[in-house]
Amino acid sequence: DQQVKQNSPSLSVQEGRISILNCDYTNSMFDYFLWYKKYPAEGPTFLISISSIKDKNEDGRFTVFLNKSAKHLSLHIVPSQPGDSAVYFCAASESNAGNMLTFGGGTRLMVKP
Amino acid sequence: DAGVIQSPRHEVTEMGQEVTLRCKPISGHNSLFWYRQTMMRGLELLIYFNNNVPIDDSGMPEDRFSAKMPNASFSTLKIQPSEPRDSAVYFCASGPRIYNQPQHFGDGTRLSIL
Repeated sequence: DQQVKQNSPSLSVQEGRISILNCDYTNSMFDYFLWYKKYPAEGPTFLISISSIKDKNEDGRFTVFLNKSAKHLSLHIVPSQPGDSAVYFCAASESNAGNMLTFGGGTRLMVKP
Repeated sequence: DAGVIQSPRHEVTEMGQEVTLRCKPISGHNSLFWYRQTMMRGLELLIYFNNNVPIDDSGMPEDRFSAKMPNASFSTLKIQPSEPRDSAVYFCASGPRIYNQPQHFGDGTRLSIL
């Protein structure tokens, strides 16, 4: 049973447009959520996070939205750039379980010039 | 600052051989994590340590897998004997013990068991 799901394995977006990546979770105890970006042959790189006490966190072109009632989070990238092409993983953890992360399956984003 | 360092980057070996993967966490980080990435199962946590002590090893697939952290700056993941189904990319990550802080990953070891 996957506790964190990314239902879109891939997404293609034109440069300059908005990219929206989605993630759903089932464990209501999760209270910290993160997005990682991964390029081929490299490890995942931390991108942005959000605590469950917030519903939005913004960092430059990247914004994460959290809808606790729907158990859904999304990552918005505006404007999208070709260098954003990568695999994006969402992850979640709960404060009572240490710092263990549960990852979604990833979404491959392709930004076309 | 140096990030998480893993070695080797690639390992190809024959079935039945012992494999040892190495990890140097970021200095000052108290938590260390070993993950495995496969096409079928994605990124899955194998084991994690806090202050060099194994806390949760429920993700370790079977007794052929073992992990140690003899000190704060070094950890190993060992597979003995190795099997073709162990072929995957193995990542090590470290993080501060403070909650709500992200883990930082190494670049992984791509393991191929023939």
